[in-house]
Amino acid sequence: GAVVSQHPSWVICKSGTSVKIECRSLDFQATTMFWYRQFPKQSLMLMATSNEGSKATYEQGVEKDKFLINHASLTLSTLTVTSAHPEDSSFYICSARARTDTQYFGPGTRLTVL
Amino acid sequence: GENVEQHPSTLSVQEGDSAVIKCTYSDSASNYFPWYKQELGKRPQLIIDIRSNVGEKKDQRIAVTLNKTAKHFSLHITETQPEDSAVYFCAASQGFQKLVFGTGTRLLVSP
Repeated sequence: GAVVSQHPSWVICKSGTSVKIECRSLDFQATTMFWYRQFPKQSLMLMATSNEGSKATYEQGVEKDKFLINHASLTLSTLTVTSAHPEDSSFYICSARARTDTQYFGPGTRLTVL
Repeated sequence: GENVEQHPSTLSVQEGDSAVIKCTYSDSASNYFPWYKQELGKRPQLIIDIRSNVGEKKDQRIAVTLNKTAKHFSLHITETQPEDSAVYFCAASQGFQKLVFGTGTRLLVSP
């Protein structure tokens, strides 16, 4: 149980394009999903917290107009990186939580912006 | 807000030795402390967690201890094996609030 999937696992795009990443909880209803970014050899940096049916809460310094988050159902949240630039290249990981404090992580999406 | 410090940043041990990773937190209201193991390019995997109503929890070769007074918690791995090599992250949160992660410890277990 508690399986979280993420799609795509990797993506390469040109600078200026937008990329959408999906995060799904496969066997439980996720009341809350989190989006993290992880640079090489660094810790996980929380970008935003997403509650089903409401607007995401962004961490300080994260541009909400650049990183669009939608949590339309209890099993799906999406992160759209708009007008991506090389500095947005990173490993993006989602996590999901049901009505407990335990978070389960997706496998991550490696984004490379050329 | 919460701040979590983790030490050491790297840890090298021989197979069969024990490994200890320590974390301190700043917010006395934090009550949930998970540990995650992350292999290169993979997702963080929950290996053990502890809540503030207990002082120690054990699962086979892995144990976690919590000292609420001192606001620190530790991960103990006994009889280490090469497959234990990975980056380990501690984290802390208050109930259903967001997790705050430590900076990670790279554990290398040499055969």
